[in-house]
Amino acid sequence: GAVVSQHPSWVICKSGTSVKIECRSLDFQATTMFWYRQFPKQSLMLMATSNEGSKATYEQGVEKDKFLINHASLTLSTLTVTSAHPEDSSFYICSAITGKGNEQYFGPGTRLTVT
Amino acid sequence: AQSVTQLGSHVSVSEGALVLLRCNYSSSVPPYLFWYVQYPNQGLQLLLKYTSAATLVKGINGFEAEFKKSETSFHLTKPSAHMSDAAEYFCAVSEGTGNQFYFGTGTSLTVIP
Repeated sequence: GAVVSQHPSWVICKSGTSVKIECRSLDFQATTMFWYRQFPKQSLMLMATSNEGSKATYEQGVEKDKFLINHASLTLSTLTVTSAHPEDSSFYICSAITGKGNEQYFGPGTRLTVT
Repeated sequence: AQSVTQLGSHVSVSEGALVLLRCNYSSSVPPYLFWYVQYPNQGLQLLLKYTSAATLVKGINGFEAEFKKSETSFHLTKPSAHMSDAAEYFCAVSEGTGNQFYFGTGTSLTVIP
């Protein structure tokens, strides 16, 4: 149980375009989801905390107008990278909390490459 | 404030040797502690977690970790390394249910045949 999926698993886009990444909890309801960014050979950096039905809470230094997060249902959160640039190329990982205990379940990640 | 320090960004062990990955934390409240493993281009997989029950925690794939409050440590061990253990390992701490995780910088484990 407690499976989190992400779609797409990898995406290549041109500079200036927008990309949407989906994070779904497949077999549980997730009131809270987290979005992380990971650069090569580095740790995960928390970008934002997403709560169903409310605005996301962004970490300091993360541009909320560039990284749009929507948590419209208890099983889906989306991250939209707007007007992507090559420096936005990274591995984006989402996680979700089941509400039972405090374990985070991580998605498999999305590799974004902006050309 | 909470933080996690993983000593040693790279650890190499011979196949069959003991694996020891170090994690020290700081927390103003009793912490919840986690170890995750990440294989290339994949998400994180939970190895084990400490949530204020037994201080010696056993996880998957033969890994275990011991919570030592006096040393503020939560080191990960495995008696005998296997080639398939080669991966990136992350230690994380949180304050409790629904709270954000703070990750260490990770330790890359190489297993030498």
